[in-house]
Amino acid sequence: DVKVTQSSRYLVKRTGEKVFLECVQDMDHENMFWYRQDPGLGLRLIYFSYDVKMKEKGDIPEGYSVSREKKERFSLILESASTNQTSMYLCASSPVNSPSYNEQFFGPGTRLTVL
Amino acid sequence: QKEVEQDPGPLSVPEGAIVSLNCTYSNSAFQYFMWYRQYSRKGPELLMYTYSSGNKEDGRFTAQVDKSSKYISLFIRDSQPSDSATYLCAMRGNTGGFKTIFGAGTRLFVKA
Repeated sequence: DVKVTQSSRYLVKRTGEKVFLECVQDMDHENMFWYRQDPGLGLRLIYFSYDVKMKEKGDIPEGYSVSREKKERFSLILESASTNQTSMYLCASSPVNSPSYNEQFFGPGTRLTVL
Repeated sequence: QKEVEQDPGPLSVPEGAIVSLNCTYSNSAFQYFMWYRQYSRKGPELLMYTYSSGNKEDGRFTAQVDKSSKYISLFIRDSQPSDSATYLCAMRGNTGGFKTIFGAGTRLFVKA
């Protein structure tokens, strides 16, 4: 089974702190994604990566950066956390040779609260 | 206007009921239509997908796509308490790239 793990299930940080969210997948997938999930807004893509050291902005990249130094690991960084970044963060991966519907495999999510 | 609209619910039904979950969309370029199921405190998992218009059945689940109306549905027959979850529709086009657009999700409760 594909397994996507996220470093924390729950995280509480203070405004202005630098926050690191880590994601690891064990199926050798090329593509990795970071989403945030908010009630009524669904999943919104923050960043994705299709290869090591490659990254592309999604729909809402402002206030976030990412790092992919190894194929299995994709990190989301909040340079200076703000209260409007309180959300559920979901990491996902998919193989590059996926069928065109591109099934994505999700981690369990990290619920981040910024005070 | 959002590219994909989905009623967030919650939708509460008795066990055994037929459930209908729906999404509308605006982008006629979408070709692949997926339904993900998300249990509480878990990430979404792919439930079904269809390509272009038509129906697809998998056990108690039927996915339906009407491209002329830009409307997709997921039907659950003989609903069970274990079907209680949030159901997200998702769709993407046929061209290259990695962009999948997700709906907001409909929260479903099936009461025993």
